[in-house]
Amino acid sequence: AQSVTQLDSQVPVFEEAPVELRCNYSSSVSVYLFWYVQYPNQGLQLLLKYLSGSTLVKGINGFEAEFNKSQTSFHLRKPSVHISDTAEYFCAVSVGGTSYGKLTFGQGTILTVHP
Amino acid sequence: KAGVTQTPRYLIKTRGQQVTLSCSPISGHRSVSWYQQTPGQGLQFLFEYFSETQRNKGNFPGRFSGRQFSNSRSEMNVSTLELGDSALYLCASSFFGEGAYNEQFFGPGTRLTVL
Repeated sequence: AQSVTQLDSQVPVFEEAPVELRCNYSSSVSVYLFWYVQYPNQGLQLLLKYLSGSTLVKGINGFEAEFNKSQTSFHLRKPSVHISDTAEYFCAVSVGGTSYGKLTFGQGTILTVHP
Repeated sequence: KAGVTQTPRYLIKTRGQQVTLSCSPISGHRSVSWYQQTPGQGLQFLFEYFSETQRNKGNFPGRFSGRQFSNSRSEMNVSTLELGDSALYLCASSFFGEGAYNEQFFGPGTRLTVL
């Protein structure tokens, strides 16, 4: 079985400051990694994904994440946040194959950007 | 192209009743997954349907069931509702979901309140 731990439940930050949201995972098999964002009263939107290849992946809205296999981490970063980035962020894993449709999520990190 | 639609958006039921939620995937998508989101348990996978067959299942009691129709629309049913079933129920669709990665697109969710 897989599990995902998001190390911070809430992250407050000032506008234009950098931010890092931390994610660690546990799995006995290779996994695929994802970051999703959820705005209030909306569904989830995919920010970025790691399937294979370069361990540094870039996503939408200026976000990027680095896959670190030895540390089983997939931290999300943005060099300069905006007020509009205020939302809840979820890290997720999938084992692929016939299970791409089954995502295991972390508990979420609420990012609050202050002016 | 229209996104994933879920109906109804809000629902209030009382304990002991049953409820049916509907999900219409993006046109051409054949895989539909369902998730339950609660403040305490976070986002949890319920089940996934592909070509009218349940392909993956999460750890939920038998009161939670689902089905998929030939047009890929899916329904989930919860019988004998309990207070703890109050949650946001999200569905996600993808084109294929096997072998090669296909992004899951999430609907806005159905907010179920059990009184």
